[in-house]
Amino acid sequence: AQTIHQWPVAEIKAVGSPLSLGCTIKGKSSPNLYWYWQATGGTLQQLFYSITVGQVESVVQLNLSASRPKDDQFILSTEKLLLSHSGFYLCAWSLGPNTLYFGAGTRLSVL
Amino acid sequence: GQQVKQSSPSLTVQEGGISILNCDYENDMFDYFAWYKKYPDNSPTLLISVRSNVDKREDGRLTVFLNKSGKHFSLHITASQPEDTAVYLCAANSGGSNYKLTFGKGTLLTVTP
Repeated sequence: AQTIHQWPVAEIKAVGSPLSLGCTIKGKSSPNLYWYWQATGGTLQQLFYSITVGQVESVVQLNLSASRPKDDQFILSTEKLLLSHSGFYLCAWSLGPNTLYFGAGTRLSVL
Repeated sequence: GQQVKQSSPSLTVQEGGISILNCDYENDMFDYFAWYKKYPDNSPTLLISVRSNVDKREDGRLTVFLNKSGKHFSLHITASQPEDTAVYLCAANSGGSNYKLTFGKGTLLTVTP
């Protein structure tokens, strides 16, 4: 069975500090991977997607970056957090381009 | 602009009634349409989806209706139950090798006993 694990579950960070969020998918070979973000009261927005190791496409510019160092791992990061980065971050995987399976998410508060 | 719109932030239906959730879209190229369900403090999960070559798809108590000329699709839930209470997100994509699934803002459905 496929499992998707996101870490950490929650983070409280200071403005200007760095951030690294992670996501690991087990039980599926070469999945498509995604990062989504939802501000409080906002819409779930796609940030990045990756269809293969080492290749990441940016969908929305939010001063964040993503990397896929291994087939089963997707990392979201920034060197300098902004207040506007607060929200809920979801990692997801799929085999085709449509049906997404989401992780449990990371809640980020930037103060 | 928002490509996928759910104009009703909330909907209340009595148990046993029909819940109708609506979604409008702007992009003529969308050919895949889906509904996800999200409980509080949980992640969205796919409920039902449909491709643009059909205008209706049924799955148990769920039916998706697609109106391509009106750029509108809806989810009907018959015999609504309190456990259907959740946020429902519509989503659309233009298919092929497009990996950008766009979501609406969500509608909170509350089914009252």
